Amino acid sequence: DAGITQSPRHKVTETGTPVTLRCHQTENHRYMYWYRQDPGHGLRLIHYSYGVKDTDKGEVSDGYSVSRSKTEDFLLTLESATSSQTSVYFCAISEIGASSGPSTDTQYFGPGTRLTVL
Amino acid sequence: GDSVTQMEGPVTLSEEAFLTINCTYTATGYPSLFWYVQYPGEGLQLLLKATKADDKGSNKGFEATYRKETTSFHLEKGSVQVSDSAVYFCALRPSGYSTLTFGKGTMLLVSP
Repeated sequence: DAGITQSPRHKVTETGTPVTLRCHQTENHRYMYWYRQDPGHGLRLIHYSYGVKDTDKGEVSDGYSVSRSKTEDFLLTLESATSSQTSVYFCAISEIGASSGPSTDTQYFGPGTRLTVL
Repeated sequence: GDSVTQMEGPVTLSEEAFLTINCTYTATGYPSLFWYVQYPGEGLQLLLKATKADDKGSNKGFEATYRKETTSFHLEKGSVQVSDSAVYFCALRPSGYSTLTFGKGTMLLVSP
């Protein structure tokens, strides 16, 4: 299994509070991603990173920010949490992105963080 | 934009039945195609993949063939087990990009 951990695994918070989720990898992979999973929507990309300090927006980035100061850590921040951000959040990593070949064309997922915003 | 459409679930089968989960996609160029599986309470795991037309991905008795002419990547297994009960996601990675686009997932329930 790829070495990906997410913390916390579960969090309950109140509307309007800031929340930071952490993804940590031990694989030295270049690309890291944050997704949210909601019933009826599958997984949707929030933000991703293609290197230290290099990030880009995904499909559902409003209300979220990210930071990557080290290869191994990718942080997702909800500046002011809302009930619509109640979800399960997954981090993923991959070795090579746009220039991948058949043997490296895979994203590996962490165990997820269940976030409830009351 | 790119999109993936999967059959809605749940799909309910008896053990040893044949499984098909349909997946079609819309994308320009030649995307890579994936099936991921999510067991209860866990993250997603890659099940199989195919990177070019007519490629067949296979793993753990599951198979899917990349059909460019019908833009499909249907998942099949000849004899399902109770342990195959999970949610299955079809996904694509557009050529030249690093991100994945997922379908909404199909829940499979296998009874003894």
